[in-house]
Order: sequence, then structure tokens, then C-alpha cells
Amino acid sequence: AQSVTQLDSQVPVFEEAPVELRCNYSSSVSVYLFWYVQYPNQGLQLLLKYLSGSTLVKGINGFEAEFNKSQTSFHLRKPSVHISDTAEYFCAVSLTNAGKSTFGDGTTLTVKP
Amino acid sequence: GAVVSQHPSWVICKSGTSVKIECRSLDFQATTMFWYRQFPKQSLMLMATSNEGSKATYEQGVEKDKFLINHASLTLSTLTVTSAHPEDSSFYICSARDLGRLDTGELFFGEGSRLTVL
Repeated sequence: AQSVTQLDSQVPVFEEAPVELRCNYSSSVSVYLFWYVQYPNQGLQLLLKYLSGSTLVKGINGFEAEFNKSQTSFHLRKPSVHISDTAEYFCAVSLTNAGKSTFGDGTTLTVKP
Repeated sequence: GAVVSQHPSWVICKSGTSVKIECRSLDFQATTMFWYRQFPKQSLMLMATSNEGSKATYEQGVEKDKFLINHASLTLSTLTVTSAHPEDSSFYICSARDLGRLDTGELFFGEGSRLTVL
């Protein structure tokens, strides 16, 4: 079975500073990797995904993530954050394109002025 | 495109009553929908996989008689919390895969439903 570990439960950062949210996964087979964002009292919205190909994937709102197979990581980055990026971020892994996804525990990103 | 709508967004009910939450894919067909439960400041806990035209597959520890799931069409799945108790209070979220875009592996989420049982 696959698992996902988000290494930081909370990440406070100042506005316009860079940020990295860390995600490691465990699986004995190839996986699909995703980052989702959740704003208070809302569902989740896809930020970006890695299915295959280029290991650097770009998503919405200026976010990007790099798939590192040797380190089994899929860290999310943004070079300059805004107040509006304050939210909960979830890393997820799926074994197939139609199966269920396993989610990490989430990272609360708080952007301070 | 790929919009999933949940209804109601908020519901308050008395202990012992049943509550139905609907999850609709508005502009795509979904043979599979997923139901999650989320406690404050925690991750999503998968409750069950809802399959159109067949019985739902429940995760270990989830009471199927307590959380009834019906997936009667390619665009609608419902979760009924039967004989609700205060400990059932939670944020319930559904997600769906677009039948026409299964190769992307992407899940489309509803807005969530906040259930409060008094």
C-alpha cells in the first residue's frame, strides 16, 4: 500500500518570501502524485499533478513541484507567496488513474504581511 | 468544466434523525465517486467508494449501515447519515473522476457539507 508523509504541519512565512512544502511518499510501484489546496470550509482544488514525463511540473497560482524518484519526494514550491495563499495544502498519491487516492495529513501555510 | 456540487453546504439536525447529502457532477459523468470525512485540522479520511449501479465499497472501520451510499446515476451519489449522533458531526466531502478524463488521474471535489448534530 502507498503512504504519504507531509513533513511540516504548519509553515508560517512572510508575504513575498519563497516557500517549500515538503511531501514524501512510499510505494513499491509507480504512482501519480498530486497537490491540492483547501480554503476554509471548502472542498479541495487541484494545484498540480505529476503523471509522467518532465519531473518539474507547474501548476496554478504560480506553484510548481518537482518529482524526485530517488528520494521519493514531491515538494511544492512558490518563489513569492501572497496573503491569499494562506490555506491548507494536501499532497496525495494514487496508484492508478482510476483508483482511490491517499492523502497526507496536510500542511497549513500561513502568509503574514 | 468538471464541476462537482454538494448539497447542502451546512446542515444542523437533532440527534436520532437522518441526513442526506448529495454529490452531483454537473458537467461530466462519473462512474466512481468518493466520500470523505474531515475532522478539524486533519486530513481527509476516505469513507467509501461509490460505484454507479452497484454497491459502495466501504473502508475498514466505516459502518455501512450507518453511512448509506447510493449512486443511482452517472452524475449523482448520495450519502445518508442514519440515526445521527453528535459524534457524527464533521465536514463531509465528495470527489469524482471524470469518465472522459480518467487518464489524468485527477479528482474533482465538491465544496463539502458541514454536518452538526445537536
